[in-house]
Amino acid sequence: GESVGLHLPTLSVQEGDNSIINCAYSNSASDYFIWYKQESGKGPQFIIDIRSNMDKRQGQRVTVLLNKTVKHLSLQIAATQPGDSAVYFCAEKGSSGTASKLTFGTGTRLQVTL
Amino acid sequence: GAGVSQSPRYKVAKRGQDVALRCDPISGHVSLFWYQQALGQGPEFLTYFQNEAQLDKSGLPSDRFFAERPEGSVSTLKIQRTQQEDSAVYLCASSPRGGRVPGYTFGSGTRLTVV
Repeated sequence: GESVGLHLPTLSVQEGDNSIINCAYSNSASDYFIWYKQESGKGPQFIIDIRSNMDKRQGQRVTVLLNKTVKHLSLQIAATQPGDSAVYFCAEKGSSGTASKLTFGTGTRLQVTL
Repeated sequence: GAGVSQSPRYKVAKRGQDVALRCDPISGHVSLFWYQQALGQGPEFLTYFQNEAQLDKSGLPSDRFFAERPEGSVSTLKIQRTQQEDSAVYLCASSPRGGRVPGYTFGSGTRLTVV
């Protein structure tokens, strides 16, 4: 099938290890941040979100950390599985105007090795 | 259907040809978005509808791009006189109301290749 991104930064992890994917955002006025997972030939799939008034949020096997001081977002995946292989995007949502509009980062390809 | 449906799945157009891409949002979803995703990049916002009203079209790259949602459900993105730089995956997303995430569901996209 077609590739989501041929020239993206790639993170390779062994199955069972933890993964950390990083993202720098640009708009300090953003009030909402989201991580999406995109598999080849599919649209982005929501993973987890966090509001700007929080610095950590946990989901099932995933944790998002937000550092507003340095405008940095990270996604931690515990016990990475082969099904986690995909491209991961962070996205930010503004607090005014078209508040629903998402601005996506470049993306990171996660490869899980057996 | 259960998800956002987009058609066609793939489209090859000769340069200068007009194309129309269709999006069927989740039934009852008020908000509808179009994004363009170039190879190796994240999706970029094109336009946003709330019901039939196009509230933001600031991301449309040129006046060759036009989107409509006349009855507040199905939407069509039309590209006139296609150029090679229009080659990309066009993603549609819908949301129950006000574009609140995580109710923001993407379709699988239409891959447009202009030759």
